Amino acid sequence: EAQVTQNPRYLITVTGKKLTVTCSQNMNHEYMSWYRQDPGLGLRQIYYSMNVEVTDKGDVPEGYKVSRKEKRNFPLILESPSPNQTSLYFCASSLYPGTNTEAFFGQGTRLTVV
Amino acid sequence: SQQGEEDPQALSIQEGENATMNCSYKTSINNLQWYRQNSGRGLVHLILIRSNEREKHSGRLRVTLDTSKKSSSLLITASRAADTASYFCATDRRDNYGQNFVFGPGTRLSVLP
Repeated sequence: EAQVTQNPRYLITVTGKKLTVTCSQNMNHEYMSWYRQDPGLGLRQIYYSMNVEVTDKGDVPEGYKVSRKEKRNFPLILESPSPNQTSLYFCASSLYPGTNTEAFFGQGTRLTVV
Repeated sequence: SQQGEEDPQALSIQEGENATMNCSYKTSINNLQWYRQNSGRGLVHLILIRSNEREKHSGRLRVTLDTSKKSSSLLITASRAADTASYFCATDRRDNYGQNFVFGPGTRLSVLP
């Protein structure tokens, strides 16, 4: 089954404790992206990747890191989480966006930083 | 910055009525897509319309695209309670490394039984 898998689904952590949210897709997609969703603000892009070792900042990259060492994986790293990073996070993947293709989303990771 | 902006932010209708949501965008696009999100879940693709298309249908969904006005509308006919969800438009925006998906803030639709 074609899918995007995020882990964990729920996470409560303390300020400053490094964490990684994993994202994996099994569709051989070139494009992967991370979004955060906050009430009233919709989906805001954090980072995206066009292929292995090709990543770029989205609209709200501060406080986040990513890596794309393999095509299927695109982890999101919070080196020193802060309470303002409490949010619902989504990973998405697709073929190259310019080819009229749809994006597939993971089920989300609800992160709480206390 | 936001590429797509949906309007209205929230919409409440009775079951059986039609629901119309609008999306405006700022730059040229290859396509525009609509997605649906049930509360707190991942987004699910509904329909894609290419820049050279003006209208597209899928079941009870009808999407129009006006590239001269940089706007699109999503019509859901004969709405059902199960259509209650948030709806997002997405466009492809040219960024540093190529085309990139950008989502608007969404329209929250409530269909009352």
